[in-house]
Order: sequence, then C-alpha cells, then structure tokens
Amino acid sequence: GAVVSQHPSRVICKSGTSVKIECRSLDFQATTMFWYRQFPKQSLMLMATSNEGSKATYEQGVEKDKFLINHASLTLSTLTVTSAHPEDSSFYICSALTPLNTEAFFGQGTRLTVV
Amino acid sequence: AQSVTQLGSHVSVSEGALVLLRCNYSSSVPPYLFWYVQYPNQGLQLLLKYTTGATLVKGINGFEAEFKKSETSFHLTKPSAHMSDAAEYFCAVRDPTQGGSEKLVFGKGTKLTVNP
Repeated sequence: GAVVSQHPSRVICKSGTSVKIECRSLDFQATTMFWYRQFPKQSLMLMATSNEGSKATYEQGVEKDKFLINHASLTLSTLTVTSAHPEDSSFYICSALTPLNTEAFFGQGTRLTVV
Repeated sequence: AQSVTQLGSHVSVSEGALVLLRCNYSSSVPPYLFWYVQYPNQGLQLLLKYTTGATLVKGINGFEAEFKKSETSFHLTKPSAHMSDAAEYFCAVRDPTQGGSEKLVFGKGTKLTVNP
C-alpha cells in the first residue's frame, strides 16, 4: 500500500513553545489530508481536514489558532501546535487520501509531551 | 449523523481460538465500512473494507468481516488467533455520498489480548 510518513515520532517540548509535525505522502499525491488526535486508550478524534492550496476545515471545538495547519504541496501537510501546554500532550496522527479519494493511509503518529 | 459502536473495549482469547470483534453502525445511507489495526505507538493500518458488492470481505492477516445490513453490523473475525494479533482494533464508517472526502467516524476501539 501507499506510504505516509509522519515526523517526528516523538517530541518533548516546554510549555509555551510551538511544535511542528509533518505528514508526507511518499509515493502519491494527496490533495486531502486529515489530522487526528488520540487520547490514551481512546479513539481517534478528527481535528481538521487539510486541503492542498486552501484553508483547513476544522472540526467543532478545535481551535484553529492553536492548531495551525498548512498544506502547501500535494505531498506535505504540517500541523503546528502553538504555545503548547501540558493539556496538549497527546498522540497526533495524520492520514492522506489517495487520488480519486479511494483510500486513506495513516502516518505512524507523533507522541507529543509538553512539560 | 453516522456513528460506530464497538461492543467490548477489551477482548481476550487464547492463541488458536476464534477472534470475534463486534461493530455496529448507524447511518442514514448505505455506508462504507472499515476495520483498522493499531499497534502501540503506531498509526493505523487498514485490515479490510466494505464499499459495495460481496458482503463478506477478506482482509490481511487472515481477518474477514461480513456486512449485514439487516443487523447494521460489520463484525471482524479470524478463525485462529496468533500472538501477533494482539493490538487495538478500530471499526470506522464513512458516508459514501460525501463526495471528495474520506471523512471517517471511528468507534472507540477494542483491545485484543491473545493468551499463550
């Protein structure tokens, strides 16, 4: 299947700093990518839909100024957690939609810890 | 709105025993249905999916699932569990009428433990 690479896999940052997470589709072009957040022992919560060349669509309750999403190319979407706080600590997962929107492939996730 | 219910947050089986993970969905239109597996600290891997056609779907690693419209179910099965099957399993549903968007709604997940 197609490959989606997420980087970094783990990051620890200080409270108040910003962290950028990258999601790359390595062998296909993805006009649509999704960002999820997963709390311990819980399901995935969709945060936003990232569309190449346009603004992301955020789910209700997700702060767009807190979680900045940029999808500047057909193979890269980034999620920046701004002014991170301990409550932002979580597992963040991206997925990329294949051409013709037939299937979504997931990155390996990023474990963010804010201290 | 669509929703997914996975009965049983934890399922424990013996190695070699049948695996049955339950998934029921709610959808106003015939949905697309998916099962994903997640190993610790990793992303999700697609096991199998149902879109149209044959209601019994075979996936990777010996798993299969059957779409039963009358029961609004899409239960995941495997005849004989292997230790490597121990993981978290998520059922997901998508509204196929949402053109251009693979917006998935996930169940809460079922953690499968396989005992030697």
